Amino acid sequence: EAQVTQNPRYLITVTGKKLTVTCSQNMNHEYMSWYRQDPGLGLRQIYYSMNVEVTDKGDVPEGYKVSRKEKRNFPLILESPSPNQTSLYFCASSLSPGEQFFGPGTRLTVL
Amino acid sequence: GNSVTQMEGPVTLSEEAFLTINCTYTATGYPSLFWYVQYPGEGLQLLLKATKADDKGSNKGFEATYRKETTSFHLEKGSVQVSDSAVYFCALVISNFGNEKLTFGTGTRLTIIP
Repeated sequence: EAQVTQNPRYLITVTGKKLTVTCSQNMNHEYMSWYRQDPGLGLRQIYYSMNVEVTDKGDVPEGYKVSRKEKRNFPLILESPSPNQTSLYFCASSLSPGEQFFGPGTRLTVL
Repeated sequence: GNSVTQMEGPVTLSEEAFLTINCTYTATGYPSLFWYVQYPGEGLQLLLKATKADDKGSNKGFEATYRKETTSFHLEKGSVQVSDSAVYFCALVISNFGNEKLTFGTGTRLTIIP
């Protein structure tokens, strides 16, 4: 089954404690992206990757890092989380522009 | 820059009612347009798309027509069901063979009551 998986699905952490949210896709897509979803703001892109070892900033990259060492994986790293990063995070991959497959989401709370 | 504006929600309708969710956009260039749907507790799913002016996207009884003259892509369904309750997002992408970033509207929550 074609899918994008994310882990963990839920995470409560404290300010400053480094964390990683994993994302993996089994569709051999070159393009992957991370979004955050906040009430009243819709989804905003954090980072994207056009292929292995090729990443770039989206609209709201501050406080986040990513890596793309393998085609299928695109982890999101928060080196020093802060409360304003409390959000719902989605990973997505796509084969053609705009037709993105989304993961189930990771709800992060930073205390 | 690019932006998408959706009608404010929430929208509550009775089963079998007619649905319209308005969406307008501004874009530099020629966007492709999409509607995504998010069911409770799930990620977004592509509902339908249109890639050029006057195209009509359709799926699961939903339709939307790409209107370049009014920069709109309104979502319609003739007879909604309880199972259509979800959040609907209008989105666009400018394909520049680089960042395929989707620019989303803020979403419209739809609730259908039996």
